[in-house]
Amino acid sequence: QKEVEQNSGPLSVPEGAIASLNCTYSDRGSQSFFWYRQYSGKSPELIMFIYSNGDKEDGRFTAQLNKASQYVSLLIRDSQPSDSATYLCASPGSGGSNYKLTFGKGTLLTVNP
Amino acid sequence: NAGVTQTPKFQVLKTGQSMTLQCAQDMNHNSMYWYRQDPGMGLRLIYYSASEGTTDKGEVPNGYNVSRLNKREFSLRLESAAPSQTSVYFCASRGAGPSPLHFGNGTRLTVT
Repeated sequence: QKEVEQNSGPLSVPEGAIASLNCTYSDRGSQSFFWYRQYSGKSPELIMFIYSNGDKEDGRFTAQLNKASQYVSLLIRDSQPSDSATYLCASPGSGGSNYKLTFGKGTLLTVNP
Repeated sequence: NAGVTQTPKFQVLKTGQSMTLQCAQDMNHNSMYWYRQDPGMGLRLIYYSASEGTTDKGEVPNGYNVSRLNKREFSLRLESAAPSQTSVYFCASRGAGPSPLHFGNGTRLTVT
């Protein structure tokens, strides 16, 4: 069973702070990772994806991938109340099972004004 | 473009009733998926279809059947609904390679 684990939180940060969300995975062959944001009552929406070791930045969001340690993280700089949501980490794994995207259980982030 | 369209948005069933959730995508994606989402359990894969003409079980397939009607449409059927199937159901599709899932807006199902 390929697993994707997230710290379930909830995580609470003040407005303007950096929010750090973490995810570990068990399939060492995993090549790609996705971060989704899900507002309450809504469907998940993609905010970042990363395929290579290192950092990938997109506006206030930075995804970090460390394949040796098998973790991927999402940093949100200058957090805003509108960032309050559940963040889901996902990976298709490796080999013949890569059609199946496995999700972590999500981390609930609250940004306090 | 509509993306991924699911119907209905809400449904209430009595135990033992049957229903079909419909899903269609207009992005010419090969792969389509059905997930359920329950509090504390995250998104769990019910069934998926890697390409037209194929379907495979996911993590929680019991009590469900699927049909990949054509490249655009992938339906999920509950033959005899049970209260344990009360959940939010999401359909999704995905293009080739290591590409992300695109989700529909979800169906909130309650079985009494």
